[in-house]
Amino acid sequence: NAGVTQTPKFQVLKTGQSMTLQCAQDMNHEYMSWYRQDPGMGLRLIHYSVGAGITDQGEVPNGYNVSRSTTEDFPLRLLSAAPSQTSVYFCASSYRQKLSGANVLTFGAGSRLTVL
Amino acid sequence: QQQVKQSPQSLIVQKGGIPIINCAYENTAFDYFPWYQQFPGKGPALLIAIRPDVSEKKEGRFTISFNKSAKQFSLHIMDSQPGDSATYFCAASLGGGSQGNLIFGKGTKLSVKP
Repeated sequence: NAGVTQTPKFQVLKTGQSMTLQCAQDMNHEYMSWYRQDPGMGLRLIHYSVGAGITDQGEVPNGYNVSRSTTEDFPLRLLSAAPSQTSVYFCASSYRQKLSGANVLTFGAGSRLTVL
Repeated sequence: QQQVKQSPQSLIVQKGGIPIINCAYENTAFDYFPWYQQFPGKGPALLIAIRPDVSEKKEGRFTISFNKSAKQFSLHIMDSQPGDSATYFCAASLGGGSQGNLIFGKGTKLSVKP
């Protein structure tokens, strides 16, 4: 049981390049989401998905695209990278606790992206 | 607009001390308040969570105190240990956390000195 797997762990891009951050979970969780973490800013929600084929925007969606063709995978695409997208990106999947009904997020280890 | 305000930004305590991290929220519709712990190079992990119908919740050495009228909640770490050194995030959610979308505070970096 690997949990939430993110690749790559590190990536350096030039301004204008495109790339995809991969996220896969093997826990059959319905909900998946992407956050970015910047120093002093906490974690901010980029996009999320409540199930295969359904995605929606979070707090900071501009410059990012997502899709959810399967339950397991939730890739994050940067179409034209900008230095402002330099950040650590975390993918999370969540399950609903039976007792409380609340969703508990399980985070991946993160992908550190630098845009020059 | 920052919906969850967390303080302090950083905190240094001696081993055995009781660090306290505070959070305040604005949206009275929030009804699920978790705390996440993050070690360097790792993703955050759920530590403890509370709903506004209780004023306090304890799990081991970690306690959440909740003040609904003041729209504030705090994390207390009893008998803190060097292994507790990490960044702590408070968060809030709607719908009892049912949608998995959290609004996080900016984090508190805790250092527990031996």
